[in-house]
Amino acid sequence: AQSVTQLGSHVSVSEGALVLLRCNYSSSVPPYLFWYVQYPNQGLQLLLKYTSAATLVKGINGFEAEFKKSETSFHLTKPSAHMSDAAEYFCAVSDRLDSNYQLIWGAGTKLIIKP
Amino acid sequence: ETGVTQTPRHLVMGMTNKKSLKCEQHLGHNAMYWYKQSAKKPLELMFVYSLEERVENNSVPSRFSPECPNSSHLFLHLHTLQPEDSALYLCASSQDLASEYNEQFFGPGTRLTVL
Repeated sequence: AQSVTQLGSHVSVSEGALVLLRCNYSSSVPPYLFWYVQYPNQGLQLLLKYTSAATLVKGINGFEAEFKKSETSFHLTKPSAHMSDAAEYFCAVSDRLDSNYQLIWGAGTKLIIKP
Repeated sequence: ETGVTQTPRHLVMGMTNKKSLKCEQHLGHNAMYWYKQSAKKPLELMFVYSLEERVENNSVPSRFSPECPNSSHLFLHLHTLQPEDSALYLCASSQDLASEYNEQFFGPGTRLTVL
């Protein structure tokens, strides 16, 4: 079974600084990977997804993620943080359980933006 | 209405009460999910339905009882809950469970407080 590790339950950056949120997965076979964002008091919203078409994936709100097979990583980045980016971010991988596919979730990383 | 809706958004109940959470998806999807999100814990998958049939029950206590009358509606019936059941309950849907690219769409959640 797949597993997902997000390094750092909290990440704090200054407004305008680079955002880097880390995600590592366990599979030896390139999986489908997702980043979701959850703003306070809301559900999860898809930020971007990797489906093997391109290793660098661009998402909404200026975020992007790079799939690195050799490192089994799918880290999320944004060149310049904005106050509105303060939220919790979840990495997920698609995994097959019996005959069904489901998402395996990381524990989440709360992004804090300092003015 | 569009996407995935959940009602109520907030619910306070005593341990002896019976209440129900409702979820409706307007996306034409065939799979629906209930998740529990507690503070400082990873997202917990509770139940999965595909074409109105339950396909997964992740060792959830019997005081939580799901119901899926059709592919657009999902309920979570609650009775004799415990204070530790206080959490954000999220509903999600996806096209089906057969695709590895299994993007899930989330509702805004119901914030449940058990007194």
